[in-house]
Amino acid sequence: EPEVTQTPSHQVTQMGQEVILRCVPISNHLYFYWYRQILGQKVEFLVSFYNNEISEKSEIFDDQFSVERPDGSNFTLKIRSTKLEDSAMYFCASTLEFGPGTRLTVT
Amino acid sequence: SQELEQSPQSLIVQEGKNLTINCTSSKTLYGLYWYKQKYGEGLIFLMMLQKGGEEKSHEKITAKLDEKKQQSSLHITASQPSHAGIYLCGATPWGDYKLSFGAGTTVTVRA
Repeated sequence: EPEVTQTPSHQVTQMGQEVILRCVPISNHLYFYWYRQILGQKVEFLVSFYNNEISEKSEIFDDQFSVERPDGSNFTLKIRSTKLEDSAMYFCASTLEFGPGTRLTVT
Repeated sequence: SQELEQSPQSLIVQEGKNLTINCTSSKTLYGLYWYKQKYGEGLIFLMMLQKGGEEKSHEKITAKLDEKKQQSSLHITASQPSHAGIYLCGATPWGDYKLSFGAGTTVTVRA
């Protein structure tokens, strides 16, 4: 059964550094999403991606964030200059199927 | 976005007992989804409900959506340790798969 994969599973970075979180969504899906879950809090929508462009973004998704689908299979979330408060689990979703998440720790 | 309230926040049940989790929306729901999450892990899709009065079951888990489409319940019969985890309800607006989630209900099953 097709599944969503995410790499890395855990990323530790220093404040101010750039990070790229990678996702391979399910190949025949058209709608892709990034969500974030800060420890102990709700899962929050970040951005949706359809037809190779952003279709909606939340208030959280500021200029520090960007998404790309560079090669038609991978789907990436980039955080340009990480802050301590970016520490969270980041989930990629392909329609309604979620990946296992990347735990981002900013020190 | 959809505001979803889940209750209880957490519960502890003895193995073999039944349990029910509720999810209430501030607006009429278009799509209501139940997920299970193990702490620190991804979300596993359980069930989707779209029609008022709809009820779906999978193994020992039953989910219902009320006629007004503003409240859903998840019921587990004869709970087992494998049912332990965090149960999340999520809602989507019409024409989109963007999910808004409740805060989750943590279920602990005592042997």
